[in-house]
Amino acid sequence: QQQVKQSPQSLIVQKGGISIINCAYENTAFDYFPWYQQFPGKGPALLIAIRPDVSEKKEGRFTISFNKSAKQFSLHIMDSQPGDSATYFCAATDSWGKFQFGAGTQVVVTP
Amino acid sequence: DAGITQSPRHKVTETGTPVTLRCHQTENHRYMYWYRQDPGHGLRLIHYSYGVKDTDKGEVSDGYSVSRSKTEDFLLTLESATSSQTSVYFCAISSGRQEETQYFGPGTRLLVL
Repeated sequence: QQQVKQSPQSLIVQKGGISIINCAYENTAFDYFPWYQQFPGKGPALLIAIRPDVSEKKEGRFTISFNKSAKQFSLHIMDSQPGDSATYFCAATDSWGKFQFGAGTQVVVTP
Repeated sequence: DAGITQSPRHKVTETGTPVTLRCHQTENHRYMYWYRQDPGHGLRLIHYSYGVKDTDKGEVSDGYSVSRSKTEDFLLTLESATSSQTSVYFCAISSGRQEETQYFGPGTRLLVL
């Protein structure tokens, strides 16, 4: 049973558009929420992360929005570029450091 | 890939045979992890290690064992491979818990016939 639910499974966005990926969790012990980016044939790499005491975090074109009461968080990719085409995973972890990953979202940015 | 290598990178084996995958790091990180990645399931933790000879189970540990006799090496063994263990296996390392970034290796693609 997946402790972190991620949607959509895939999305196609035009260059310059906004990609939005959503994740939801149940375990209130989770207190660190990273996002990973994975290119084909490669291992995942940390993209951006947030703690629940912050409602939003922005790094360049990537923004995490966090809603603690709803137990939801999302990744927004602004001005999407073809180089952003990858699979994105949300994750959550508690103080013990065991990560729970979402199922992944394949993002395709068309020229 | 942050000083992490995995071997072999690809393997084809037959049902019932034992298989050992190796993860080697040059970062001297304390924590090491083995995940499997399957479509629709994301990454699922198999086992992890928080020090030499200190290991614990993850959410999908059945049919797998691990060993860590040195800081730099973490071995994953499929005791008797089954077709359901066909997957891509990733090793990850981190220097500490939680907010410390997990760095992933390049992965091992395993096919069990």
